[in-house]
Amino acid sequence: DIQMTQSPASLSASLGETVTIQCRASEDIYSGLAWYQQKPGKSPQLLIYGASSLQDGVPSRFSGSGSGTQYSLKISSMQTEDEGVYFCQQGLKYPYTFGAGTKLELK
Amino acid sequence: EVQLVESGGGLVQPGRSMKLSCAASGFTFSNYGMAWVRQAPTKGLEWVATISYDGSSTYYRDSVKGRFTISRDNAKSTLYLQMNSLRSEDTATYYCTRVEDYYDGTYYYWYFDFWGPGTMVTVSS
Repeated sequence: DIQMTQSPASLSASLGETVTIQCRASEDIYSGLAWYQQKPGKSPQLLIYGASSLQDGVPSRFSGSGSGTQYSLKISSMQTEDEGVYFCQQGLKYPYTFGAGTKLELK
Repeated sequence: EVQLVESGGGLVQPGRSMKLSCAASGFTFSNYGMAWVRQAPTKGLEWVATISYDGSSTYYRDSVKGRFTISRDNAKSTLYLQMNSLRSEDTATYYCTRVEDYYDGTYYYWYFDFWGPGTMVTVSS
């Protein structure tokens, strides 16, 4: 199975601050990386697919980049509503696997 | 508006069975693959099973293979997950998800573009 490792496990950011979350795959997944946001008590929502394509309706302050085994999610200006847990997911091979999550809080 | 609504969760004893349903609306159900993803309490996300748009292909994670069966009724726009021989480690919130694919010119990738609110399954005596 492809292992997905996220870092950091948690972080706090101030309003307007730029936030970056990393995700590393145990093997090359080409561009098969998606990012999700989960708020407390809610289901996950898709943010990014294909490593860098923004899902419809997602604010443009979210962006994704990377290739091979290294990927990142960037929030260009932290907002209150961005608090939550962020997960990466590889969609290249079964079983599809997720990172353990990064908890983002407002400082 | 895409809507996915799960039902059928609850408390079940180890070794018993339970069937989850997911009612879909707001899109042409028969055009999309569907999947179940679960999340144990305070844990991360775990893909469980996927079914193709027409039901002809199914895929499972190893830990549920032979115990769980994913199926669909396109006439009713409904997805199912039959869970047999349930174990305590199956305790989780089960999410119904729509599967979308992305082709970059070389490979296809799959991701989950819409999720239901989830239904909780607790396996305990």
